[in-house]
Amino acid sequence: EDKVVQSPLSLVVHEGDTVTLNCSYEVTNFRSLLWYKQEKKAPTFLFMLTSSGIEKKSGRLSSILDKKELSSILNITATQTGDSAIYLCAGWNWTGTASKLTFGTGTRLQVTL
Amino acid sequence: NAGVTQTPKFRVLKTGQSMTLLCAQDMNHEYMYWYRQDPGMGLRLIHYSVGEGTTAKGEVPDGYNVSRLKKQNFLLGLESAAPSQTSVYFCASSYYPGGVQPQHFGDGTRLSIL
Repeated sequence: EDKVVQSPLSLVVHEGDTVTLNCSYEVTNFRSLLWYKQEKKAPTFLFMLTSSGIEKKSGRLSSILDKKELSSILNITATQTGDSAIYLCAGWNWTGTASKLTFGTGTRLQVTL
Repeated sequence: NAGVTQTPKFRVLKTGQSMTLLCAQDMNHEYMYWYRQDPGMGLRLIHYSVGEGTTAKGEVPDGYNVSRLKKQNFLLGLESAAPSQTSVYFCASSYYPGGVQPQHFGDGTRLSIL
């Protein structure tokens, strides 16, 4: 059974801090790892990582995949209150005929003034 | 920009009642998915479809049925609702799973079973 574990479960930081969120996975037929941000409603896509060691960056957010360690990190620099959300990590199991994402339970980030 | 639309947004049912949740996407996506999200459990896959007329079981399929009669629609049915099915249900779609397209999510349906 595929499994994705995220840590920490929650954290509170001050605006301007830098945070690192962790994700480890055990996914058969692993294809990619995805990060989503969930505020009040639908998860919104942040990154998809397929190759190990290549950092993806979008503004203050960046992420990298380590296939050897079966893990990924999501970094947020100079955090803002608008970064407060649940961050979800998901491993993509792709067999060529079927495709499934297994999600972690998420990290709840709260950024305070 | 409709994307993925779920109806209804909220619903309260009594134990034993039945209902159908509708998911519609206007992006011509092949794959569609139904998830449930519970506190502390993350998103869990209920059923998914790899194309019109096809369905497959996910991680937690018991108590649910699905149908994909049209490419743009994916229906989730509860034949006899139980309190354990109280949850937030999300539908998602993706164009081609082997490519680089991520899943796009609807805004969710909050379902309470009394």
